Amino acid sequence: GENVEQHPSTLSVQEGDSAVIKCTYSDSASNYFPWYKQELGKRPQLIIDIRSNVGEKKDQRIAVTLNKTAKHFSLHITETQPEDSAVYFCAASITGGSYIPTFGRGTSLIVHP
Amino acid sequence: ETGVTQSPTHLIKTRGQQVTLRCSSQSGHNTVSWYQQALGQGPQFIFQYYREEENGRGNFPPRFSGLQFPNYSSELNVNALELDDSALYLCASSTQGMEEETQYFGPGTRLLVL
Repeated sequence: GENVEQHPSTLSVQEGDSAVIKCTYSDSASNYFPWYKQELGKRPQLIIDIRSNVGEKKDQRIAVTLNKTAKHFSLHITETQPEDSAVYFCAASITGGSYIPTFGRGTSLIVHP
Repeated sequence: ETGVTQSPTHLIKTRGQQVTLRCSSQSGHNTVSWYQQALGQGPQFIFQYYREEENGRGNFPPRFSGLQFPNYSSELNVNALELDDSALYLCASSTQGMEEETQYFGPGTRLLVL
């Protein structure tokens, strides 16, 4: 089955800095990669996703890049703000049929004012 | 916020008891997946229901079972509760057979087993 590794487990940055979270996956058939943000005590919320036919996707201060050859994808957050502090999860899956994503273990991002 | 709802929000049970958790999917979604999230971990897939049938199962024992109803809402049942079952249980709804199969999570049920 799919295995997703996520690094780092904790990331501490100063407000205004950039943050990068990296994930690797094992199943070359995976073609859909969502990222979720989970604030303390709340549900995971989808913040951005990317499909395997695209190398990069941006949404304001958030971007995701995908390297299919190396089987890794990354979340980039620019101009970080204290409200970006949360746990971020990556996931990898194969769309069509049973859509069952495999999640990474999460990265706790702390943005210091 | 998504349209996925779960009940109850919190639950305390003792070892050996049984529990039923409920999930209402987002309007237009036909698939419900259940996850267990232990403290400090990512969500672990339990199983998925599509058109009232189990459509995939993770590495969980048979005492974890589920149902999906004609309105696409779903239940997760856990028998013979163990201390390690203490976790946040999340359901996520999605739509199969469409290009967009993104899952949207409910707020979760926090289960404590004593």
